[in-house]
Amino acid sequence: KAGVTQTPRYLIKTRGQQVTLSCSPISGHRSVSWYQQTPGQGLQFLFEYFSETQRNKGNFPGRFSGRQFSNSRSEMNVSTLELGDSALYLCASSSPDRGEEKLFFGSGTQLSVL
Amino acid sequence: QKEVEQDPGPLSVPEGAIVSLNCTYSNSAFQYFMWYRQYSRKGPELLMYTYSSGNKEDGRFTAQVDKSSKYISLFIRDSQPSDSATYLCAMIGIQGAQKLVFGQGTRLTINP
Repeated sequence: KAGVTQTPRYLIKTRGQQVTLSCSPISGHRSVSWYQQTPGQGLQFLFEYFSETQRNKGNFPGRFSGRQFSNSRSEMNVSTLELGDSALYLCASSSPDRGEEKLFFGSGTQLSVL
Repeated sequence: QKEVEQDPGPLSVPEGAIVSLNCTYSNSAFQYFMWYRQYSRKGPELLMYTYSSGNKEDGRFTAQVDKSSKYISLFIRDSQPSDSATYLCAMIGIQGAQKLVFGQGTRLTINP
């Protein structure tokens, strides 16, 4: 079974631009969560989507948004990029509706903001 | 103060040594405890998943939870160079399993 797939692997953007990251969950998983990982703050929860609805949200500004499609694929968008947004963005999928609470992570998208 | 504290290391030990990794937490609402392993340029990989206080063993890995002391540990026996990675503890609270709270991660190097 294929794992969680994130694209692209690397991105370089400049301040003020916006970016969209993509995540394809494990087949059959309906929950997708997004995390930001930085050396200073570690892994921090951004938001979670289940059946196209946002169920949980972390403490990030409104510039960070996401959505989920009917096939469970998810996208995350960051608008008006700031230098501090440089990070590894990780997507994780799970299947809580089937009792599978464990999160399985993708390899992440490394975003650099110049 | 962070909800979950983990010594970032780095920790360097010789091959074959027993490794002990630890996390403390302040929120008594945490119910489930996990250990993830993260290799460079990869996403975290789930190693251990525990609920109750006590020990859980899986091969060379043992996870220990002490809810009364708000302290969890991961022991690695007969450590191998392939165990070199960053180890992250993570916890789930009442908001559900999808919102994990992570420790900072401990960078571990096993020297041949």
